[in-house]
Amino acid sequence: EPEVTQTPSHQVTQMGQEVILRCVPISNHLYFYWYRQILGQKVEFLVSFYNNEISEKSEIFDDQFSVERPDGSNFTLKIRSTKLEDSAMYFCASSWDRGKQYFGPGTRLTVT
Amino acid sequence: AQTVTQSQPEMSVQEAETVTLSCTYDTSESDYYLFWYKQPPSRQMILVIRQEAYKQQNATENRFSVNFQKAAKSFSLKISDSQLGDAAMYFCAYRRIAYSGAGSYQLTFGKGTKLSVIP
Repeated sequence: EPEVTQTPSHQVTQMGQEVILRCVPISNHLYFYWYRQILGQKVEFLVSFYNNEISEKSEIFDDQFSVERPDGSNFTLKIRSTKLEDSAMYFCASSWDRGKQYFGPGTRLTVT
Repeated sequence: AQTVTQSQPEMSVQEAETVTLSCTYDTSESDYYLFWYKQPPSRQMILVIRQEAYKQQNATENRFSVNFQKAAKSFSLKISDSQLGDAAMYFCAYRRIAYSGAGSYQLTFGKGTKLSVIP
């Protein structure tokens, strides 16, 4: 079965640095999402992306975040200037339609 | 705004027994999706089961079934013949259905229930 993949699996960065988290959604999917999960807490929606633009974003997704689909396969989340509280598991998800979302294995981001 | 509540932070079950995880939600929408996701220690999110609100029949997937009570806004997950591999965090999630435009397809999650399976 096709899978969503994410790289890297673990990223350690210093506060103030920029990070780019990468995702390869399932190839024929049209809708893309980023979620995050701070350790011990629930999964929170960050942003959804469709037709090469953001369709919705949460209040967490402020100006330090951006998303891009630079080519036909990758979907990236950039955090411009990381803060300690950005430490979390970041999940990418994709879906063909408005139904089932398939999640990637996540990238664990540690900001020191 | 939609909210999802899982009132059981932790549950345990004997191997081969049956366990039910509770979930309630709040919405003003009449049509929506409900999901149960499993998150094992690897922290990957795995879809377990999905229910469309317009369907009265409860969804089932092998050993997993739901009890969907729309009027009560309740969506519980029953795991039959529990196995050691079922040990994980289980998250209930809600998603509205938007019929026009790109809409909002974000999932709203509950805080999760940690299920332990006792051999």
